[in-house]
Amino acid sequence: DAKTTQPTSMDCAEGRAANLPCNHSTISGNEYVYWYRQIHSQGPQYIIHGLKNNETNEMASLIITEDRKSSTLILPHATLRDTAVYYCIVIRNSNYQLIWGAGTKLIIKP
Amino acid sequence: DTAVSQTPKYLVTQMGNDKSIKCEQNLGHDTMYWYKQDSKKFLKIMFSYNNKELIINETVPNRFSPKSPDKAHLNLHINSLELGDSAVYFCASSQGSRGPYEQYFGPGTRLTVT
Repeated sequence: DAKTTQPTSMDCAEGRAANLPCNHSTISGNEYVYWYRQIHSQGPQYIIHGLKNNETNEMASLIITEDRKSSTLILPHATLRDTAVYYCIVIRNSNYQLIWGAGTKLIIKP
Repeated sequence: DTAVSQTPKYLVTQMGNDKSIKCEQNLGHDTMYWYKQDSKKFLKIMFSYNNKELIINETVPNRFSPKSPDKAHLNLHINSLELGDSAVYFCASSQGSRGPYEQYFGPGTRLTVT
């Protein structure tokens, strides 16, 4: 499975859009990009996933570059409750096994 | 209703003891998992069961034994506990074992071995 690289930490002002980047330059054609987050002392929470096209749901948007070597998770109007560690994970459809990295610690500031 | 529940939430025990952590999901999912999150916060998969059948068994000491009595339950039994077993253990479930299925996680069990 492809490896991902994320910034260690980021800040964002409350009410603004939080843009979390992820590099996955070795991704192959049948690998999905998944995003999860873990709020302090809680279990991880699924956010969104995509293969090639951009995706949007009630929580976030996922923008995947045309070459699929990087992606950006967008939280459109960040709130204090969005403070968490965000994990970008790349997995194959045929071997659904999440390999977790260190993630990005996102701090939303009032 | 809690989708994935674990008991106990906290577990403090001494080295050498045997303990179990229970997990139940009410989502009707076919696949369940156990993860370990160590002090550095890295999550590592330990086991996965699909329809009560073991499908993922990572390099985990054989002191750890998962048991799935039915699709809705996956328990983790740990024999002869060691200091290094101290971690947070998460149970998760998903609709299937293959394909882009999201995983739903329980609240975690914080195990402290003294």
